[in-house]
Amino acid sequence: ETGVTQSPTHLIKTRGQQVTLRCSSQSGHNTVSWYQQALGQGPQFIFQYYREEENGRGNFPPRFSGLQFPNYSSELNVNALELDDSALYLCASSGRGGWELGANEQFFGPGTRLTVL
Amino acid sequence: DAKTTQPNSMESNEEEPVHLPCNHSTISGTDYIHWYRQLPSQGPEYVIHGLTSNVNNRMASLAIAEDRKSSTLILHRATLRDAAVYYCILNAGGTSYGKLTFGQGTILTVHP
Repeated sequence: ETGVTQSPTHLIKTRGQQVTLRCSSQSGHNTVSWYQQALGQGPQFIFQYYREEENGRGNFPPRFSGLQFPNYSSELNVNALELDDSALYLCASSGRGGWELGANEQFFGPGTRLTVL
Repeated sequence: DAKTTQPNSMESNEEEPVHLPCNHSTISGTDYIHWYRQLPSQGPEYVIHGLTSNVNNRMASLAIAEDRKSSTLILHRATLRDAAVYYCILNAGGTSYGKLTFGQGTILTVHP
């Protein structure tokens, strides 16, 4: 069973650029959530995709957007990068969505470290 | 979102038990109590979760107070590999779509 993978591992961008981060969910999992973790802080929820549709969103501006594909892999896109976007971006997959998710563990990838200069 | 309160840090010696407390006085009846841990330079790792009854798995035990306003994660024999940040999270599912709201967590230091 393959775990959650993310690419790239590290990325350096400049302010104003756009970035796409990728996540492959664990086999059989149909729900992917994205989190942002600033240095020294706990992860903050960005949004979640369930069966290719956005299923919930945290307190992040519209320049943070995403996609989920039929194979349940996912992308996180960030436009007009700002210095404060520098962080570790984590994705997590789960086998069930909706109300059952409260009772279900989520499996995290190793993250993508984004640095904005 | 219901909040949790954890000590900022705790220390333990190797091979001794560790009890990590968590207070969640505003927990609702449908909130699950989840614990995750994050080792340095890694993504968070699921540890255990429960609703009302105590739970055991290969990693740890979760003791839940009868009124559910607090819980304790128990590592029976700490190893150096257990040094991590431990997060106690209430997960409601349903309209909160199971998003995990992480706090600051407890930094566990394990001494050889």
